[in-house]
Formats: sequence, C-alpha cells, structure tokens
Amino acid sequence: KAGVTQTPRYLIKTRGQQVTLSCSPISGHRSVSWYQQTPGQGLQFLFEYFSETQRNKGNFPGRFSGRQFSNSRSEMNVSTLELGDSALYLCASSQDRGVNEKLFFGSGTQLSVL
Amino acid sequence: QKEVEQDPGPLSVPEGAIVSLNCTYSNSAFQYFMWYRQYSRKGPELLMYTYSSGNKEDGRFTAQVDKSSKYISLFIRDSQPSDSATYLCAMRKESGGYNKLIFGAGTRLAVHP
Repeated sequence: KAGVTQTPRYLIKTRGQQVTLSCSPISGHRSVSWYQQTPGQGLQFLFEYFSETQRNKGNFPGRFSGRQFSNSRSEMNVSTLELGDSALYLCASSQDRGVNEKLFFGSGTQLSVL
Repeated sequence: QKEVEQDPGPLSVPEGAIVSLNCTYSNSAFQYFMWYRQYSRKGPELLMYTYSSGNKEDGRFTAQVDKSSKYISLFIRDSQPSDSATYLCAMRKESGGYNKLIFGAGTRLAVHP
C-alpha cells in the first residue's frame, strides 16, 4: 500500500506570493491533518479535515487554509507569504477519527520563502 | 512553559548501547502517547503507541508511561547506527481534537560504530 504522498517536495517562493501544497492520503484513509515543522517551534498542528470538512484548527493566522476533496485528497494554501512561513509542511493521514487512530506522515514539502 | 518538554540533545552513544529518551508533560488531559522517529529530510514514522501506564515492548524498543508523574520514556536496546535520527514524543487528549497531536521538540540521537 502506498504511503502518504506530498507534492511538491521542494518549493521556493518570495514574500507576498501564495502557495498551494498537495497531499494524497493512504488509500482508504479519510482523515488528513497538516502540520508545520520549524527548527524553533518544532511540529505544530495546522488543521484536520475529514469528510471534506475542517474538524479542528490550530493556532495559525487565516492566511493558512485548506480543503479536502471527495477522494480524501487535501490541499493547503498559504497566502501573502512571510519569511517566517519557511518550514517543512507535513501531511498525515489516518483511517478514521478517534482516539485510537494512528497518524501516518508523508515526507513533507519544504517551503522556502525569500 | 510548553505542554510537552523534551531534551533536544544531541545524544551520542556507541553502537550496542541502551538509549533512554524522555518527555514530561504538564496537562493531565493527555491520555495517548506516541513515539515517532524522523530521519533527515523525511516525515515522522510511528514507532510506538501507548495508552496505559506501564511498559510496551516491540523488538528493541520499549515505551514506558507513568501518568502519575506525567513522564514517558522510550528505551532502545542494542542501538545501531541506523537508529541515528530525531525521536519525537507526541500526545493526544482523551476527547476532541483527535488528530491534533502535541509534539515534543525532538531528541537528536547519533549512534556511532
């Protein structure tokens, strides 16, 4: 079974631009979560989508948004990029929602904002 | 103060050593505990998942949870150079925010031959 697939692998943008990142979950997984990883703050939760609806949101500004499609694939968008948005963006999927569900991560998209 | 504290290391050990990695947490609402391993330029890989206080063993890995002390540990026996990676503890609450994991800062481990 293929793992969580994220595209693109690397991205370079300039301040003020916007960016869209894509995530394909493991086949059969219906929940997709997004995390931001930086050297200073570590791994921080952005949001979770399940059945095309945002179920949970972390403490990030409204410039960060996402969506999920009917096939469970997800995209996240960052508008008006800032230098501090440079990070590894990780997508994780789980089969369902529940306290015993295990999260499986993709390799991430490394975003550099210049 | 962060909800989850983890010493970032780095931790350097010789091959074959027993490695002990630890996290403390402050929120008693955390009931589920995970350990992830992350290699450079890769996403985190789930190693261990525990709920109850006590020990859980899987091969060379043992996860230990002490809810009364709010302290979790991961032990690696017979460590190998391939174990060199960053180890992240993660936690989730009993209810709500199921996939909202709170991570520790991660401990960088280097196992040298």
